[in-house]
Amino acid sequence: GESVGLHLPTLSVQEGDNSIINCAYSNSASDYFIWYKQESGKGPQFIIDIRSNMDKRQGQRVTVLLNKTVKHLSLQIAATQPGDSAVYFCAETHGGSQGNLIFGKGTKLSVKP
Amino acid sequence: GAVVSQHPSWVICKSGTSVKIECRSLDFQATTMFWYRQFPKQSLMLMATSNEGSKATYEQGVEKDKFLINHASLTLSTLTVTSAHPEDSSFYICSAPPGQGYSSNQPQHFGDGTRLSIL
Repeated sequence: GESVGLHLPTLSVQEGDNSIINCAYSNSASDYFIWYKQESGKGPQFIIDIRSNMDKRQGQRVTVLLNKTVKHLSLQIAATQPGDSAVYFCAETHGGSQGNLIFGKGTKLSVKP
Repeated sequence: GAVVSQHPSWVICKSGTSVKIECRSLDFQATTMFWYRQFPKQSLMLMATSNEGSKATYEQGVEKDKFLINHASLTLSTLTVTSAHPEDSSFYICSAPPGQGYSSNQPQHFGDGTRLSIL
């Protein structure tokens, strides 16, 4: 599975710009992927998910792209707002059981007003 | 929507104390709940799977006797950190998939975590 880093990568963007957060996953058998947002001192909050039979899914201001060939997942946030500042985690699972939910390292998004 | 509640949100106690953390599903039943641990600036690591009416399943490296899990009802799972020491200080988070059982089609819903500080 993913290794856990000792520090969080940081992405700093200007308010109103688009943000792209990337994630590499390790298990080619993973068939369900989720992006979570975690604000300081809180639990992860669901943003968007995608199954392996899709390569793109859109939500409100967010888009997830899945590239199974290179085992890469990305989260795009349009018109980033200060309230989007948080740590973003991708998570993967396989075998129909979310008990094997494996979280990526996380990326800290900072939005400058 | 589905809500998972954790209590307490913050605990400070002396070394050697046992601490109980509760995880409740507020508007749905959860036969399965998950317990995670998160150290500062790190990702969430699954500790164990809590199963209503049966024994919990622990991940490799997690001490069963140290982290006692009880899932006595369809809406409550508890994690007890026994004889806690400073190295047990961490952010403990529970989650549950909405509805009985779980599948890969619905995301887990997380509680807001419990910050445990052992002096």
